[in-house]
Amino acid sequence: KAGVTQTPRYLIKTRGQQVTLSCSPISGHRSVSWYQQTPGQGLQFLFEYFSETQRNKGNFPGRFSGRQFSNSRSEMNVSTLELGDSALYLCASSLVPEGEKLFFGSGTQLSVL
Amino acid sequence: AQSVSQHNHHVILSEAASLELGCNYSYGGTVNLFWYVQYPGQHLQLLLKYFSGDPLVKGIKGFEAEFIKSKFSFNLRKPSVQWSDTAEYFCAVTRNTDKLIFGTGTRLQVFP
Repeated sequence: KAGVTQTPRYLIKTRGQQVTLSCSPISGHRSVSWYQQTPGQGLQFLFEYFSETQRNKGNFPGRFSGRQFSNSRSEMNVSTLELGDSALYLCASSLVPEGEKLFFGSGTQLSVL
Repeated sequence: AQSVSQHNHHVILSEAASLELGCNYSYGGTVNLFWYVQYPGQHLQLLLKYFSGDPLVKGIKGFEAEFIKSKFSFNLRKPSVQWSDTAEYFCAVTRNTDKLIFGTGTRLQVFP
């Protein structure tokens, strides 16, 4: 069974640009969560989707948005990039929403110059 | 606001030493508790979890954690660490179906 797949693996962008990250969950998993990981901050929750609906949202500005498609694949978008957005963005999937075991992808390393 | 605290940011041990990583949370009521591990170059994976029942939980690779409700703690322990335990360890907490909140992580380095 394939794991959680995130693309691209690495991204380099400049300030002001926008970026879209993709996450394909494990087959059969309908819940997808996104986290931002930075040194010293740990994992900061961004949002969670289940059956194409956003269930939970973290404390990030509106520049961060996401969506989930009918096949459970999810995308995350960051507009007007800032230097502080440089981080590893992790996607996790689970059979049911938060509280159950999460399976993480390898992440997308975003560098904003 | 709900939070998870991991006070040990960086721990350095020799092989065979005992390990205890602290985790405290600020939720009230019933919680679900997790420890995740991230080995160098690998993705995060679940080490162990506590939902209910015996507060002493055993996980993979000889790790265990004890839930002490009165102290709002869920410390991770291993009697004898190995070089292969070098990794970053994250404590996480959720309540009901609320979002999973992670601590800032503890980086463990084990020297042979």
